[in-house]
Amino acid sequence: DAKTTQPPSMDCAEGRAANLPCNHSTISGNEYVYWYRQIHSQGPQYIIHGLKNNETNEMASLIITEDRKSSTLILPHATLRDTAVYYCIVRATGTASKLTFGTGTRLQVTL
Amino acid sequence: GAGVSQSPRYKVAKRGQDVALRCDPISGHVSLFWYQQALGQGPEFLTYFQNEAQLDKSGLPSDRFFAERPEGSVSTLKIQRTQQEDSAVYLCASSLRVQGGLASGANVLTFGAGSRLTVL
Repeated sequence: DAKTTQPPSMDCAEGRAANLPCNHSTISGNEYVYWYRQIHSQGPQYIIHGLKNNETNEMASLIITEDRKSSTLILPHATLRDTAVYYCIVRATGTASKLTFGTGTRLQVTL
Repeated sequence: GAGVSQSPRYKVAKRGQDVALRCDPISGHVSLFWYQQALGQGPEFLTYFQNEAQLDKSGLPSDRFFAERPEGSVSTLKIQRTQQEDSAVYLCASSLRVQGGLASGANVLTFGAGSRLTVL
């Protein structure tokens, strides 16, 4: 699975959009981009995933660049409950590979 | 149940003791994973089951770690002769489908809250 690079921490004001970047320059054609988050003292929670098209669900939007070498997770209206560590993971489909977590981005949402 | 259930939530063991951590996955979920998460780090893969078959145990750090899922549902992670470096949160995750499927939704894992092990 390709490696990912994320900033270690970010701040966002409550009510504003949080844009979390992820670089995955070595991603290959059959690899998906997954985002999970982990709120303190809980297990990781699935947010969204995509291959090459932008994706949106009730939690977030995922924007993947045309060359697929980077992506951005967007939380459109961040709340204090969105304070968490956000993990960007690249994983191949068609294999029995596991999710490989990095150290993620610690997002702090403030008043 | 509605989610992945893990027990105990907290376990304190003296060095050298054996511990057993239990995972009750979502009913009907075929795939089950164990992860270890040290303080301030991301989760690290330990092992993977497809039903009762342990297909990948490449992440188990030593032969003191053993996992089983005898009937393809509940799983137990056992750590023998615990050491201080075993102190961590142990996370269990389950997934509806067999890993490796071509459907894009096949790789969504649901995690439990974890079992925090402290070895004194």
